[in-house]
Amino acid sequence: RKEVEQDPGPFNVPEGATVAFNCTYSNSASQSFFWYRQDCRKEPKLLMSVYSSGNEDGRFTAQLNRASQYISLLIRDSKLSDSATYLCVVNIGGSYIPTFGRGTSLIVHP
Amino acid sequence: DAGITQSPRHKVTETGTPVTLRCHQTENHRYMYWYRQDPGHGLRLIHYSYGVKDTDKGEVSDGYSVSRSKTEDFLLTLESATSSQTSVYFCAISEFGAMSNQPQHFGDGTRLSIL
Repeated sequence: RKEVEQDPGPFNVPEGATVAFNCTYSNSASQSFFWYRQDCRKEPKLLMSVYSSGNEDGRFTAQLNRASQYISLLIRDSKLSDSATYLCVVNIGGSYIPTFGRGTSLIVHP
Repeated sequence: DAGITQSPRHKVTETGTPVTLRCHQTENHRYMYWYRQDPGHGLRLIHYSYGVKDTDKGEVSDGYSVSRSKTEDFLLTLESATSSQTSVYFCAISEFGAMSNQPQHFGDGTRLSIL
């Protein structure tokens, strides 16, 4: 089983839709969680950290479920500019080597 | 944006030649990383550094070496480039907080083609 797994998609949604991605992780010692966004042929950019209580940044909501070992990203009111690949990143406590998922592709169409 | 500069941004070279990629940071972060990204594989860690002159191998280190003589610079060298090393290379930096890991920040990438 891979340490961090994501549905590769693509998720193809119309503008204005709400879309959610999940990311599962296998190591229960994982302590830090992040979502990154990567545009085609560009570097990954930090979208948001994921906190235990869940957190929101505008149209984006991230949640952590430690019991089931997954994190989620919810995007409301999708924009064309949200089209990208979303990477889930997990850090085991005490380790400075993060584990990346392979990413979920999102395509938002008019 | 985090102060990370990769050079060169693009390079085309021939099989068997040595290649050095440079990552320069102005954030004074302790940790630096080199990744490659290929279709179907995602990001794969090549080498990383946890301080000046302190480096270690990642999952795909064969054919690569690194050096870090200063906090701000992390060099990746392909001693004798092969076509399988054609890829996009990303440098990343991070810090390690007392309670949790800080996120990585990435450079713009270097597109390397080995002919």
